[in-house]
Amino acid sequence: QQQVKQSPQSLIVQKGGISIINCAYENTAFDYFPWYQQFPGKGPALLIAIRPDVSEKKEGRFTISFNKSAKQFSLHIMDSQPGDSATYFCAASIESNQFYFGTGTSLTVIP
Amino acid sequence: ETGVTQTPRHLVMGMTNKKSLKCEQHLGHNAMYWYKQSAKKPLELMFVYSLEERVENNSVPSRFSPECPNSSHLFLHLHTLQPEDSALYLCASSQDIPFQQYFGPGTRLTVT
Repeated sequence: QQQVKQSPQSLIVQKGGISIINCAYENTAFDYFPWYQQFPGKGPALLIAIRPDVSEKKEGRFTISFNKSAKQFSLHIMDSQPGDSATYFCAASIESNQFYFGTGTSLTVIP
Repeated sequence: ETGVTQTPRHLVMGMTNKKSLKCEQHLGHNAMYWYKQSAKKPLELMFVYSLEERVENNSVPSRFSPECPNSSHLFLHLHTLQPEDSALYLCASSQDIPFQQYFGPGTRLTVT
C-alpha cells in the first residue's frame, strides 16, 4: 500500500505560471512533510518542509499548503522558471525512522 | 569534498559478482541512509544508521548488506544480485533522524 500518493505524474507549465503538485496521505501519525527537488544526474535536495501544526509555509517562490483534515498537502511554485524544470517528490515521516516518498512529478517549464 | 559523495557513479555487474557501493558524508551528521530509486516508483528506504548503529531494515533481501564503520562512511555490499535490483542507489545523511536529509548523487547500478 502506497503511504503517500502524488499527482500529477508530469506537469507542463508556461514560464511565469504557477506549478501545483499535490500529495495525499493516510497515516495521521505523520508529523513531518518535506518536498524534494531532483535534477537529472543528481540526488534529491530538500526544498521546503512543513509540520502539521502549520497550514502554510512559504520560502521565496515555493509554498507548501497543508490541509490536516483532508490529509493533503501541496507544493506551489509561483512565477515558474525554466530552471525549475526537475522532478519533485513529496514525502512524509514519523518522528523516528519511517519515511515514505511519493512517486514524483516531472515538471517542465516552457520558456 | 563537500556534502555527500558516492562512488562509483556507475556500476555494471553480473549476477554472480560481489561489489560494494561507498558513501561518505562531510557534514558532521550522525545518521546515514541507503535508498533505492527505480523508475516510476517511490524512493524506497533500505537502511538507516544512527550513531553507527543500524536502526531500520525495511525487509531488504540479504543480498544487500550494509556496513557503517564510522559516522562519516557507509557501504552497501552487493552479492548475487538479480536484474530487478538494477536502479539508482542513493545515500543520504542527516543530523538526527529524520530531519533535513542531504542526498548524494547516487550510484547507477545495472545487473546483467
